[in-house]
Amino acid sequence: AQKVTQAQTEISVVEKEDVTLDCVYETRDTTYYLFWYKQPPSGELVFLIRRNSFDEQNEISGRYSWNFQKSTSSFNFTITASQVVDSAVYFCALSEGDDKIIFGKGTRLHILP
Amino acid sequence: DTAVSQTPKYLVTQMGNDKSIKCEQNLGHDTMYWYKQDSKKFLKIMFSYNNKELIINETVPNRFSPKSPDKAHLNLHINSLELGDSAVYFCASSPPASHQETQYFGPGTRLLVL
Repeated sequence: AQKVTQAQTEISVVEKEDVTLDCVYETRDTTYYLFWYKQPPSGELVFLIRRNSFDEQNEISGRYSWNFQKSTSSFNFTITASQVVDSAVYFCALSEGDDKIIFGKGTRLHILP
Repeated sequence: DTAVSQTPKYLVTQMGNDKSIKCEQNLGHDTMYWYKQDSKKFLKIMFSYNNKELIINETVPNRFSPKSPDKAHLNLHINSLELGDSAVYFCASSPPASHQETQYFGPGTRLLVL
């Protein structure tokens, strides 16, 4: 069974619009970690956020915000007032009781000028 | 200063050849990883080493052999390259002690097998 599901394969929005990237995860562990990574067109993987399963507090970092809801096993990522530089593939990931990170298939985000 | 570096950045080679990709991290991390990203952008872990010791070995053909000469280096050697090995290979590292620490990725090595 897929452990991290990013149902949106590709999203296009016009610059300055808000956009939310969905992430649904599956785990039986009570202790786990969730991540978001960004992969811009240049190809590198950039760490954005890490959240542990005991911390459901939402987080805001500039135009980025994350909504963690254990009740729905979701860890969604919102970009407010999107910019062209936000265009990238975004990966949600889950780490359980070992050192493995399991990545979702990614959402390709296009911000149109 | 580059935290996690990989060489080469691009690698084009013929089927059947043997090649190596090198990874070095200067973050003082104990754990290092190799991931493969296929043409559909799907990222999957291949190996993980902690203090030069293999701790994760996913279902990977035995043509792939990781080698960790010290905890700052994790190299990936691939024998008898096949067309399906074409992908981007990412090295990553994470701090010691606890699990689920953030992993920091290298820039990737783009391997093309002809």
